[in-house]
Amino acid sequence: EAGVTQFPSHSVIEKGQTVTLRCDPISGHDNLYWYRRVMGKEIKFLLHFVKESKQDESGMPNNRFLAERTGGTYSTLKVQPAELEDSGVYFCASSQGSSPAGGFGETQYFGPGTRLLVL
Amino acid sequence: QQQVKQSPQSLIVQKGGISIINCAYENTAFDYFPWYQQFPGKGPALLIAIRPDVSEKKEGRFTISFNKSAKQFSLHIMDSQPGDSATYFCAASMVQNFNKFYFGSGTKLNVKP
Repeated sequence: EAGVTQFPSHSVIEKGQTVTLRCDPISGHDNLYWYRRVMGKEIKFLLHFVKESKQDESGMPNNRFLAERTGGTYSTLKVQPAELEDSGVYFCASSQGSSPAGGFGETQYFGPGTRLLVL
Repeated sequence: QQQVKQSPQSLIVQKGGISIINCAYENTAFDYFPWYQQFPGKGPALLIAIRPDVSEKKEGRFTISFNKSAKQFSLHIMDSQPGDSATYFCAASMVQNFNKFYFGSGTKLNVKP
């Protein structure tokens, strides 16, 4: 079974430019998440899709960030215009979408991340 | 404000030794505490998880110890091996929004042969 894939693996852009990150979740996973890790800091939640709907976007930093999930399959995260502080590793994760089994948390499967550097 | 605090930032352990990574939280609504392991070039992967109704969970060489009153939990890696060298993240979520994980800042573990 293919895991979560992300494209590109690396991106170097100049301040003010636009970058679009793509995530393909595990097939059949309704839940899709975006996270970001700024160097040396914690992995921070950005938002959560259930199928094509945004369930929780409380972690999105500002309106320069736009996430979409077309048809409930792959997702894109666009940063426009990019700022220096947007540099970091952007992770996508997916999960199956059921309530926690026996009240336990649901496993999230992470992609390898996109390393974004804004100069 | 960081919800889950993790220490140490980095850790060097000899092969065969015990690796211990600590995490602390303030929000008593947290009720699920997973640990994720990340190898270079890969995404984090679930290693082991615990809920606060038990004080310890063991899976092979990996053990989570949980202290509800102190709001702390830790990962112990027994008989550490060079293949365990990775970055470890603790995390927490709450039943009201179990999909939203709050991660620690990570611990880079290096197990020397």
